[in-house]
Amino acid sequence: DAGITQSPRHKVTETGTPVTLRCHQTENHRYMYWYRQDPGHGLRLIHYSYGVKDTDKGEVSDGYSVSRSKTEDFLLTLESATSSQTSVYFCAISESSQGAQYFGPGTRLTVT
Amino acid sequence: AQSVTQPDIHITVSEGASLELRCNYSYGATPYLFWYVQSPGQGLQLLLKYFSGDTLVQGIKGFEAEFKRSQSSFNLRKPSVHWSDAAEYFCAVVGSNFGNEKLTFGTGTRLTIIP
Repeated sequence: DAGITQSPRHKVTETGTPVTLRCHQTENHRYMYWYRQDPGHGLRLIHYSYGVKDTDKGEVSDGYSVSRSKTEDFLLTLESATSSQTSVYFCAISESSQGAQYFGPGTRLTVT
Repeated sequence: AQSVTQPDIHITVSEGASLELRCNYSYGATPYLFWYVQSPGQGLQLLLKYFSGDTLVQGIKGFEAEFKRSQSSFNLRKPSVHWSDAAEYFCAVVGSNFGNEKLTFGTGTRLTIIP
């Protein structure tokens, strides 16, 4: 399995609080992605990165921001968490934009 | 933009029986295609991928998939399922034309195995 870790693995937070999720890779892959997974919706892309300090929006980016200051780390921030952001968040990496993506174990976030 | 459809939300098969999970895609040219498996509480694991060449692709865990351009399909098969194959399966597609293409996932098929 690709070397991808996510932290924390579980988090419960209150509405309106900021939350940061971390994705760490040891594969030196250029591309990194954040997805959310919800029943009936499959996986939806939030943001992605194509290099250090290079990021772009996905299909469900509202309410989320990202940062990538090092090749190995990609952070997802919810500036002010809402109940609609309760979900399971997955990080993925790939060597190229059209190559296979490899996924981390996920973070289960509950916003109360 | 591409899209992918998995027509079956839930499939139940007996252990030892054969399996076929359907995947249909929409894209103007030949796409790149993937199958992933997700066990409960786990991340997605890549089963196999198709980029070009032989239309029958072999993957891990005894799975294979066949790309059929005429039917816009990429169905996943296994000749004999094991109880450990119970999981959710996702088909995914990305455009092959160089550009700002993103991987698009189907909504998944949940596989239940009965003894």
